[in-house]
Amino acid sequence: GNSVTQMEGPVTLSEEAFLTINCTYTATGYPSLFWYVQYPGEGLQLLLKATKADDKGSNKGFEATYRKETTSFHLEKGSVQVSDSAVYFCAVTYGNNRLAFGKGNQVVVIP
Amino acid sequence: DVKVTQSSRYLVKRTGEKVFLECVQDMDHENMFWYRQDPGLGLRLIYFSYDVKMKEKGDIPEGYSVSREKKERFSLILESTSTNQTSMYLCASSPAAVNTEAFFGQGTRLTVV
Repeated sequence: GNSVTQMEGPVTLSEEAFLTINCTYTATGYPSLFWYVQYPGEGLQLLLKATKADDKGSNKGFEATYRKETTSFHLEKGSVQVSDSAVYFCAVTYGNNRLAFGKGNQVVVIP
Repeated sequence: DVKVTQSSRYLVKRTGEKVFLECVQDMDHENMFWYRQDPGLGLRLIYFSYDVKMKEKGDIPEGYSVSREKKERFSLILESTSTNQTSMYLCASSPAAVNTEAFFGQGTRLTVV
């Protein structure tokens, strides 16, 4: 089935630094791709999405482009803030609207 | 706004107890899901329902069952809890349209002692 691989380990960076979190997927058909964010003690919130190849999802300064040729959906933000500290999950649809998630990346932004 | 509400934020149960985790959504979504979230493992699908009284096993259904008697409500049942079921449980819902996003509840942190 469809699956997602996120880069290993937490990400620690200084405020205003550039953030990249890598996500690659394996999929059959034409899935949608998502980034979700989880703040401490909360459930997951949709951050952005892309439904077809070359689509760019964007929200709150975050961006990700659906790259079918490299099967990637990397998340980027040009200048992070302390409030961006959270866990970020990449996800791909499969089957009857199920979602397969990556293992998540803890992002810590230091003032 | 879509709202998915889980009945408890925190639960502490003793080994062997029966536990019901309740989830209600207010957007008339056809699909509902139960995931568990563990450090280093991400989210894993326990059960999925695409209609009232319909259910499908996810990746880790052992030790769990579900009930969906009404469209808006999806319950996860742990018949006899064990310590390895200590986890964060997340409920989600989505519409029937293909390849759409899911909306999540705030999660229930279950500790089995």
